[in-house]
Amino acid sequence: AQKVTQAQTEISVVEKEDVTLDCVYETRDTTYYLFWYKQPPSGELVFLIRRNSFDEQNEISGRYSWNFQKSTSSFNFTITASQVVDSAVYFCALSTISSNTGKLIFGQGTTLQVKP
Amino acid sequence: GAVVSQHPSRVICKSGTSVKIECRSLDFQATTMFWYRQFPKKSLMLMATSNEGSKATYEQGVEKDKFLINHASLTLSTLTVTSAHPEDSSFYICSASWTTTSTDTQYFGPGTRLTVL
Repeated sequence: AQKVTQAQTEISVVEKEDVTLDCVYETRDTTYYLFWYKQPPSGELVFLIRRNSFDEQNEISGRYSWNFQKSTSSFNFTITASQVVDSAVYFCALSTISSNTGKLIFGQGTTLQVKP
Repeated sequence: GAVVSQHPSRVICKSGTSVKIECRSLDFQATTMFWYRQFPKKSLMLMATSNEGSKATYEQGVEKDKFLINHASLTLSTLTVTSAHPEDSSFYICSASWTTTSTDTQYFGPGTRLTVL
């Protein structure tokens, strides 16, 4: 079975703090893709990153970084020096090659509140 | 990045009427489009997957006759909520991707908030 778990329902931090959002996935496929999306209050889902299962290199993009570890089936997302504009719901998602439909399996989302 | 639009952004209708929501890929050809429903403070629930020129594939529990999906071109898919009732009130989001496989990224529209009175 395919599953994505985001155990943190809500996180509140003060601006400039670093924050890590956890994502744990389950799949028996050896080829799969992991995604992070941001959903600000406006509602639109903004694509942040896609990572395939054969690429375990960590990625950094500005204040954002992602730590992919197949050994623990985790794909965690860290925001460094958080800002108020980072306040949003963040979704981790999984897509597997066996489905061959592009279907995304979403986690429950983590609501991040960054206070000034 | 790829741009996906939805229209209308908000709609309020009376119970029993039908509502059509459009999803357009503005700068790429979308072989596949997806329709999701999202309840407040909840995750996205996939309703159906549509490939251009073919019938949509609905997820288990989603009524095909209730939620009509048409994907007539590579840039447009529509979701029609027929005979809407208050329980259909929700946030509907579409997404689009280039291909039909899992190798592609889905780009999401801004969503449509439907309120049925």
